[in-house]
Amino acid sequence: ETGVTQTPRHLVMGMTNKKSLKCEQHLGHNAMYWYKQSAKKPLELMFVYSLEERVENNSVPSRFSPECPNSSHLFLHLHTLQPEDSALYLCASSQDRGEKQYFGPGTRLLVL
Amino acid sequence: SQQGEEDPQALSIQEGENATMNCSYKTSINNLQWYRQNSGRGLVHLILIRSNEREKHSGRLRVTLDTSKKSSSLLITASRAADTASYFCATDLGFQKLVFGTGTRLLVSP
Repeated sequence: ETGVTQTPRHLVMGMTNKKSLKCEQHLGHNAMYWYKQSAKKPLELMFVYSLEERVENNSVPSRFSPECPNSSHLFLHLHTLQPEDSALYLCASSQDRGEKQYFGPGTRLLVL
Repeated sequence: SQQGEEDPQALSIQEGENATMNCSYKTSINNLQWYRQNSGRGLVHLILIRSNEREKHSGRLRVTLDTSKKSSSLLITASRAADTASYFCATDLGFQKLVFGTGTRLLVSP
């Protein structure tokens, strides 16, 4: 256990559905991240939140909408996704900029 | 090509042998980190080496960094079947942005 939890662990959704991924960190960190991991591709940084403010939005389509209500929780709201959005979505947190990141176990998403 | 590229893409060895993975990058970095990922799971941080360091050890792991060549290597000594995983290097470009490579898949056979 790294102190970062993600729910759900697996999710199957249709292209018209709306769902949310949840991440919680119990480490007292002040930065949280969403990554996308697709087969045979490098890990892609999607969003960075620092002290609950979004500091990075890596050209992610608007069908992905992050929310950080406090420093311990991070959400990724999903709507009208495409099959190519099927991937492992990983949440991570860190104490300071550039320091090691602690990852959650990921949510395996399948879009039909 | 990628900011971080690992070499080889896949490595298969026997238990007890050493495993060496390399990472090359293109731009200046604050630090370089190595992570491990078991199949379909989250990444686990292994070691961080700063740009002013040349070598770092942690248990059976040894990491080197050559900023003049923009490269790093990860050595796992006396490998075990439990070391089977994918290994990624990540370069810290600043602004809380880590850029990950494509990874090396390591298979350690008993």
